[in-house]
Amino acid sequence: QLQLQESGPGLVKPSETLSLTCTLSGGSISNRSYWWAWIRQPPGKGLEWIGSIFYSGTTYYNPSLKSRVSISVDTSRSQFSLELSSLTAADTAMYYCARQIGGGSWSFDLWGRGTLVTVSS
Amino acid sequence: QSALTQPASVSGSPGQSITISCTGTSSDVGNYNLVSWYQQHPGKVPKLLIYEVSKWPSGVSNRFSGSKSGNTASLTISGLQAEDEAEYYCCSYGGSNTLIFGGGTKLTVL
Repeated sequence: QLQLQESGPGLVKPSETLSLTCTLSGGSISNRSYWWAWIRQPPGKGLEWIGSIFYSGTTYYNPSLKSRVSISVDTSRSQFSLELSSLTAADTAMYYCARQIGGGSWSFDLWGRGTLVTVSS
Repeated sequence: QSALTQPASVSGSPGQSITISCTGTSSDVGNYNLVSWYQQHPGKVPKLLIYEVSKWPSGVSNRFSGSKSGNTASLTISGLQAEDEAEYYCCSYGGSNTLIFGGGTKLTVL
């Protein structure tokens, strides 16, 4: 069964860098029909797209986060990762990884369960 | 880029139909047929309901339908059921390889 699973620290200090990994099981992250994305949701608030990556390494980022974000892919491990730097309390959120339908669809048909990240000293 | 505009809340009785609007601009919703809709129950993961304005992913009920007119996209839920009570988010391609979500609409089934 195809599944995405996020992993990483639940608590990070302000000004530090958050590193999260998403592991795909039951499928290939090198499937050319899909991109892979990170989306976050602050507590009680709406969804925010962070960025997307193709298996080849091509990335697209939310302009509002672009200066602080890096997304990478490791096809050998079926993983893709998020790094978000210069953290503040405003980055406290549930972070989801998701599969993005390719071919220019820009929609997400498979989601991980999410991991809650709290930015606090 | 600004978030797409959705009503904060809508409500309806079982069996009725409701429509949730999602207003963007001529640079996003109005310029691309790339609007998607997601349903999120409390504490749960978002679920794709509609993509590319009006297409259904496999397994999604056809009680959910999408449309677009100008800069506004809409999600219509027909035959409202208690289990439809949830938060609904629209999402649109914003051009230049970017994506924008709406602020979300809470649907209450009376």
